[in-house]
Amino acid sequence: GAVVSQHPSRVICKSGTSVKIECRSLDFQATTMFWYRQFPKQSLMLMATSNEGSKATYEQGVEKDKFLINHASLTLSTLTVTSAHPEDSSFYICSARDAAEAYTQYFGPGTRLTVL
Amino acid sequence: DAKTTQPNSMESNEEEPVHLPCNHSTISGTDYIHWYRQLPSQGPEYVIHGLTSNVNNRMASLAIAEDRKSSTLILHRATLRDAAVYYCILRDVPTYKYIFGTGTRLKVLA
Repeated sequence: GAVVSQHPSRVICKSGTSVKIECRSLDFQATTMFWYRQFPKQSLMLMATSNEGSKATYEQGVEKDKFLINHASLTLSTLTVTSAHPEDSSFYICSARDAAEAYTQYFGPGTRLTVL
Repeated sequence: DAKTTQPNSMESNEEEPVHLPCNHSTISGTDYIHWYRQLPSQGPEYVIHGLTSNVNNRMASLAIAEDRKSSTLILHRATLRDAAVYYCILRDVPTYKYIFGTGTRLKVLA
């Protein structure tokens, strides 16, 4: 089955610093990747859609200058949380769309971000 | 975006079948129905998907109503490892976005 990896799995940083999270599709090419965040006991909330070679499309209420997304290749997308604050602490999950399987999305294992 | 409605929680005994319902009355003709499950501190895991016909795979079965306004995920023999939050999702056309609802938390009793 399709595999998506994320790195790092967890990160702790100081307030004001930037953190980069990588998302890779390991055995398929993903023209589209998605980024979600999830707070404890809540459902996943879509943040943005990332298409290879073009600018990401952000959901309403998500600050594009704070959450920088780059999708430079068909297997790699990155999310950079800039000037992180404690309220940015969350579980960040990426997914990749496999066009060969009815556009099913396969999810990464998630990245736990804690901002002190 | 088409929405889904699921019960907040369900319980099942181990080794018994589980039927997880989902209502999607605003589904359009081209929306696929996808089911995922999520264990604590993990990303969602793909379970099954379908369009119109019932579907079976090694994990579960998906029964889709004739009018497509509802569907049911069937776990034939629940195990303790099936305890998770199950999400029923309609794939948005043409953006391919998933909009997650609240899901159903399945508790499996030993």
